Amino acid sequence: GAVVSQHPSRVICKSGTSVKIECRSLDFQATTMFWYRQFPKQSLMLMATSNEGSKATYEQGVEKDKFLINHASLTLSTLTVTSAHPEDSSFYICSARGPKRSGNTIYFGEGSWLTVV
Amino acid sequence: LAKTTQPISMDSYEGQEVNITCSHNNIATNDYITWYQQFPSQGPRFIIQGYKTKVTNEVASLFIPADRKSSTLSLPRVSLSDTAVYYCLVGDPEGGFKTIFGAGTRLFVKA
Repeated sequence: GAVVSQHPSRVICKSGTSVKIECRSLDFQATTMFWYRQFPKQSLMLMATSNEGSKATYEQGVEKDKFLINHASLTLSTLTVTSAHPEDSSFYICSARGPKRSGNTIYFGEGSWLTVV
Repeated sequence: LAKTTQPISMDSYEGQEVNITCSHNNIATNDYITWYQQFPSQGPRFIIQGYKTKVTNEVASLFIPADRKSSTLSLPRVSLSDTAVYYCLVGDPEGGFKTIFGAGTRLFVKA
């Protein structure tokens, strides 16, 4: 199947700083990518839909000024957590809609653990 | 978006067949059903996708009745490594398919 990669897999940052997580589609172009966060033993919560060349669409309750999403190319979307606080510590996952040959299946990245200290 | 309902958890033993059912009563005409597996600290992994009747691949089968209001993921001869959370998602791959996850089913395979 199609491959989606995230980087970094783990990051620790100080409270008040910003951190960027990258999501890449490795062998296909993705016009749409999705960002989620997941707390331990809970399901994935959709944060936003990232569309190449346009503004992201955020889910209700997600602060767009805090979670900046950029989808500048067909293979890369980034999530920047600005002015991070300990409560932002979580597992962040991205996904991308695969190509037609895959039935437009959604493929997920490996996830990125963010710890804010 | 079609809401899905799955059992919260299931237990099984190695070598048994496991069937996990998902209810999606308000599935739309263009919606497909997709199942994912997630291990701790990993992103969900695609297992199988189908529209109607039966789909089989090298790891699982997916059974979808004629009314499509439910689906059953069948895992043949599970092993300890199949212990994971399984999610069913319903959506239109061509029409956007915003992925809203339900609670999933936590499968625990015992020796």
